[in-house]
Amino acid sequence: DLQMTQSPSSLSASVGDRVTITCRTSQSMSTYLNWYQQKPGKAPKLLIYAASFLQSGVSSRFSGSGSGTDFTLTISSLQPEDFATYYCQQSYSTLMYTFGQGTKLEI
Amino acid sequence: EVQLLESGGGLVQPGGSLRLSCAASGLTFSNYAMSWVRQAPGKGLEWVSAITYNGGTTYYADSVKGRFTISRDNSKNTLYLQMNNLRVDDTAVYYCAKEEFSKTDSWGQGTLVTVSS
Repeated sequence: DLQMTQSPSSLSASVGDRVTITCRTSQSMSTYLNWYQQKPGKAPKLLIYAASFLQSGVSSRFSGSGSGTDFTLTISSLQPEDFATYYCQQSYSTLMYTFGQGTKLEI
Repeated sequence: EVQLLESGGGLVQPGGSLRLSCAASGLTFSNYAMSWVRQAPGKGLEWVSAITYNGGTTYYADSVKGRFTISRDNSKNTLYLQMNNLRVDDTAVYYCAKEEFSKTDSWGQGTLVTVSS
């Protein structure tokens, strides 16, 4: 079975910090890896698709990189509205798009 | 603007059934694959099921296979999830989502399903 591991599970940071979240998969996903942001009580929001492409309307503070089994989401300068939970998602398996366990970003 | 509106959630006893619906607007519904994703209270996102644009192929997570059935009515712009033999651990917010080019780019607001005696 495909395993997806995000690290860290939680992260404390401050406004203005640069933050990196990692997602590792148990088998190669090429660049079929997406990142989502979720705030409490809200639906997830797509941030990055195909590992490094910024979804329309998303702040350029967010960037993604990686291929194969190792991927990163970077927030260049944290803003108050960025405190949320972040999920990676593999889209390599046709329509069976599973998620990492999430990273909670806290002040 | 794409809008996805889920309905049909509620309280059901273990072993019971529910049918969720997702009404889509602002898109040509029949062009897109669709999915259901759930989130148990305080937990992460779990992919549940998906269906191709024409309903020809369906996919299920092992945790729901044999109990849940995904379907769609393109004439009504509506996605469904029939949930049978519900268990306590099926308790979650269920999101309807649109798939395009290997990304889940639109989500509904979710509907809560509570399985409890």
